[in-house]
Amino acid sequence: ETGVTQTPRHLVMGMTNKKSLKCEQHLGHNAMYWYKQSAKKPLELMFVYSLEERVENNSVPSRFSPECPNSSHLFLHLHTLQPEDSALYLCASSQDGLAGEETQYFGPGTRLLVL
Amino acid sequence: AQKITQTQPGMFVQEKEAVTLDCTYDTSDQSYGLFWYKQPSSGEMIFLIYQGSYDEQNATEGRYSLNFQKARKSANLVISASQLGDSAMYFCAMREPYNQGGKLIFGQGTELSVKP
Repeated sequence: ETGVTQTPRHLVMGMTNKKSLKCEQHLGHNAMYWYKQSAKKPLELMFVYSLEERVENNSVPSRFSPECPNSSHLFLHLHTLQPEDSALYLCASSQDGLAGEETQYFGPGTRLLVL
Repeated sequence: AQKITQTQPGMFVQEKEAVTLDCTYDTSDQSYGLFWYKQPSSGEMIFLIYQGSYDEQNATEGRYSLNFQKARKSANLVISASQLGDSAMYFCAMREPYNQGGKLIFGQGTELSVKP
């Protein structure tokens, strides 16, 4: 059973709405990630937080705004999205260190549909 | 730059038989990690198996084994005794060295269908 939970599991929103995706990890990890997966495509890394500081932002549009209030919680705030933003959004966590072997564990994802 | 290639968009296997899913990678780093994930239609990414670049033995986890050939830069996943529940997308991924960000880079995936 996964130690990473995501809510909501499904979300339909209009282009003018504001919504937030929530991720919580119960694994005691120190790094959290947001990925986007469009249909039949590999995952694209969006944001990385390590020790609650953002360390990666892969040229993601500003209509996506991450927030990491503590090491267990990660949010993705959404506003004025476009239909092409419809995708599966996956959260992951890992215990990062210098060895570089740390496995990322994923949540079940949020399926987002923008109308 | 690191790159992961999965050349099999789709694979079929008969139930109870073994199947090999191909993965090749490209990197100039000496230290890296290779992962396989399973993604059922429900969407969650399930970690299956890990191989470190310095590991001398092939990784095994139950019915999953990783055929690691470092010189060929390949890390194929072998699933033995396939079950109907193995039908899913399978992604190979490589982790960048920590001092380069430690990102996971994913391949395009292989869709495995297990026939009864």
